[in-house]
Amino acid sequence: AQTVTQSQPEMSVQEAETVTLSCTYDTSESDYYLFWYKQPPSRQMILVIRQEAYKQQNATENRFSVNFQKAAKSFSLKISDSQLGDAAMYFCAYRITENQFYFGTGTSLTVIP
Amino acid sequence: SQTIHQWPATLVQPVGSPLSLECTVEGTSNPNLYWYRQAAGRGLQLLFYSVGIGQISSEVPQNLSASRPQDRQFILSSKKLLLSDSGFYLCAWSLNRLQPQHFGDGTRLSIL
Repeated sequence: AQTVTQSQPEMSVQEAETVTLSCTYDTSESDYYLFWYKQPPSRQMILVIRQEAYKQQNATENRFSVNFQKAAKSFSLKISDSQLGDAAMYFCAYRITENQFYFGTGTSLTVIP
Repeated sequence: SQTIHQWPATLVQPVGSPLSLECTVEGTSNPNLYWYRQAAGRGLQLLFYSVGIGQISSEVPQNLSASRPQDRQFILSSKKLLLSDSGFYLCAWSLNRLQPQHFGDGTRLSIL
């Protein structure tokens, strides 16, 4: 079965500190794409970062970076220098084909000023 | 640049009433289109996807249906809403499986 597990329903971080959100997934496919989405209180889903499974180098997007461990099927998101605007629900997802797009249940991140 | 519009933002409907949620994409051609439902405290559940006009695939059998009358228009419908249809509905588009999905602002549907 294709699943995505986010084991941390809630996380908090002090402003300017670093936080890591965990994500594991289960697939028998070798070619897929991984994503982290952010959903602020406005409920809009915003793409944060993506990673191609065939690439060994971890993706980085400004203060956001991932630790992709393909063998372990782990895809964690690190947020550095956390800002108040980072407070949101974060969803991990992976995609195999046009319609096979699987989301985790989300991690609610609180940023403490 | 590409944009996606979804409306209405909020909808309150009585049980048994019909439903029509609309989604349009601008700035691209022949996008793949998706309807998701997000229940409270949960991730996204794919309801329908479409790779072209008139081509609809359903992922979950349910009370809802979808149509794609034009290349960049995707409609989610129901003839008779159930209480269990309450939730947050998101429309999304992507060009292909290599690209991420881009989401609309969502519709919060409450059934009374």
